[in-house]
Amino acid sequence: ETGVTQSPTHLIKTRGQQVTLRCSSQSGHNTVSWYQQALGQGPQFIFQYYREEENGRGNFPPRFSGLQFPNYSSELNVNALELDDSALYLCASSLFSGVETQYFGPGTRLLVL
Amino acid sequence: SQQGEEDPQALSIQEGENATMNCSYKTSINNLQWYRQNSGRGLVHLILIRSNEREKHSGRLRVTLDTSKKSSSLLITASRAADTASYFCATDAPTGNQFYFGTGTSLTVIP
Repeated sequence: ETGVTQSPTHLIKTRGQQVTLRCSSQSGHNTVSWYQQALGQGPQFIFQYYREEENGRGNFPPRFSGLQFPNYSSELNVNALELDDSALYLCASSLFSGVETQYFGPGTRLLVL
Repeated sequence: SQQGEEDPQALSIQEGENATMNCSYKTSINNLQWYRQNSGRGLVHLILIRSNEREKHSGRLRVTLDTSKKSSSLLITASRAADTASYFCATDAPTGNQFYFGTGTSLTVIP
């Protein structure tokens, strides 16, 4: 167990809807990164938050947005869902924003119909 | 893209045998990490090797890094059925605040 939790574990939405995924970081970690993992692929970096500020973003459109709270828990919001958004969404916390070991949560599996 | 590529995509071995998987990447890195993922769940960190290191050991794991060839290998010795999982290499971006994961090697260890 990494101490990183995510909710919900599974979610089904329809195209065009909005979704919020949540992540609770490991105690003491001030950095959280979000990844999208399509079936059979490696995780793709969405963005990172460090001390409540966005600290890097991958090649994802603006309809993917995030928040990090003072207690370092985090949210990933996706608007206007598309079928291709169906994936496993992983959050990972780390002690610093630099190159450090990332501790992953179990993920949220999102299915868009 | 700096994304790593693992090779082979799939590997099936008998319990007790050694498993070797390789990772190639495209641009300079500060560090390279290997992760394991069981059945589409969260990734588990296995080992980190820094760009100035050539080899690192952790239990039954041995990782090598050749920065001149932009490649790394992960060796699992005396494999067990519980090692069955997907293995990913992850390289860091120049800014150091994100990782690029490869497509993974699916390892099956047959009891």
